[in-house]
Amino acid sequence: DIQMTQSPSTLSASVGDRVTITCRASQSISSWLAWYQQKPGKAPKLLIYKASSLETGVPSRFSGTGSGTEFTLTISTLQPDDFATYYCQQYNSDSTFGQGTKVEIK
Amino acid sequence: QVQLVQSGAEVKTPGASVKVSCKASGYTFTNYAINWVRQAPGQRLEWMGWINAGNGHTKYSQKFQARITITRDTSASTASMELSSLRSEDTAVYYCARGIWSIHSASYYLDSWGQGTLVTVST
Repeated sequence: DIQMTQSPSTLSASVGDRVTITCRASQSISSWLAWYQQKPGKAPKLLIYKASSLETGVPSRFSGTGSGTEFTLTISTLQPDDFATYYCQQYNSDSTFGQGTKVEIK
Repeated sequence: QVQLVQSGAEVKTPGASVKVSCKASGYTFTNYAINWVRQAPGQRLEWMGWINAGNGHTKYSQKFQARITITRDTSASTASMELSSLRSEDTAVYYCARGIWSIHSASYYLDSWGQGTLVTVST
């Protein structure tokens, strides 16, 4: 099984900050990585697929980079609606998710 | 618009089975896969398996292989996931999600999700 590890687990930030979350795979997954946002009590929402492709309707302040084993999700200017937990998912071989990164208000 | 509507919350005793359904609308059901993902309280998302709604082919996580069955009813645009031999550790919110296949990958990313179904396993 491919293991996915995110860092940090929790991130404290303020509105307007630039935020970066890292996701590492235990083996190469090419660009088969997606990012999701989840708010309490809600289903996850797709943000990014194929490492860097922005899902339709997702604000352009979200961006993704990386390939192989290391990936990042960046929020260029944090907005109040962005405080949530973010998960990465590899879909190169079956599917596994990272443990999540909670973005909280500083 | 794409919508996935899941069945309601369930309470089960250890050893029982549970079946959760997921009704799709707003797209051609047989053109996509349906994946099942669960989330135990305070835990990460955990992929369980998928079904190709067109041909009925399934793939299960090794962790659940012996206990899970995913089916679909194309006439009702509905997928279902049955998990047997329930134990307390199966207490979780279970989600269905539409899978988008990428050429050269072996699995799906998930672009639309159901609202989730809470399954509680307790004596």
